[in-house]
Amino acid sequence: QSVLTQPPSASGTPGQRVTISCSGSSSNIGTNYVYWYQHLPGTAPKLLIYRDNQRPSGVPDRFSGSKSGTSASLAISGLRSEDEADFYCAAWDDSLSGPVFGGGTKLTVL
Amino acid sequence: EVQLVESGGGLVKPGGSLRLSCVGSGFSFSSYSMNWVRQAPGKGLEWVSSISTSSSYENYADSVKGRFTISRDNAKNSLFLQMNSLRAEDTAVYYCAREVGRVWYDYWGQGTLVTVSS
Repeated sequence: QSVLTQPPSASGTPGQRVTISCSGSSSNIGTNYVYWYQHLPGTAPKLLIYRDNQRPSGVPDRFSGSKSGTSASLAISGLRSEDEADFYCAAWDDSLSGPVFGGGTKLTVL
Repeated sequence: EVQLVESGGGLVKPGGSLRLSCVGSGFSFSSYSMNWVRQAPGKGLEWVSSISTSSSYENYADSVKGRFTISRDNAKNSLFLQMNSLRAEDTAVYYCAREVGRVWYDYWGQGTLVTVSS
């Protein structure tokens, strides 16, 4: 059972907009930044969003992050087949004194 | 180009030990805190441990505390994870990651597989 809660799956057709949610608590998302990672199993995870809504250089602006209270969201617009991957939210947890990850959301592009 | 390359994974029996290594290149290794993150088969990412630039601060997930030890050798641009008293639930791909800030990992390695089985 992950500290941060994500839906196990999401899907969309090419060109659509998809949103992935991440629910936490006052000890993590409520008081600390949220980060999003994209991962294809067997490869190196990739940083998508840092500090709630900032994109590293090289990450397309189709990817955006937002946060409200103890929940965060990752939005992907103009969905492409190459976006198929697992997506994880992460945040520092003050109660655990360490990082926590969501359980991951598998995105399928239909 | 920043690169992180893990090694040392393999098959080990329950109760056994293994030492993982991660070599960094293309950046000033000694200037960054480093982390280990793992992914068990069919499961999500799980943070394991972190170490500060000068090794003065270490942090561990409760699931590995007392069994795993993180260390680094800045002269050799290397990060290590000594894993003792291994359990079946430690079976996972272990990734090393460069830390820019808390939970902010900008570069990751390709991972090394650890299998704990009799």
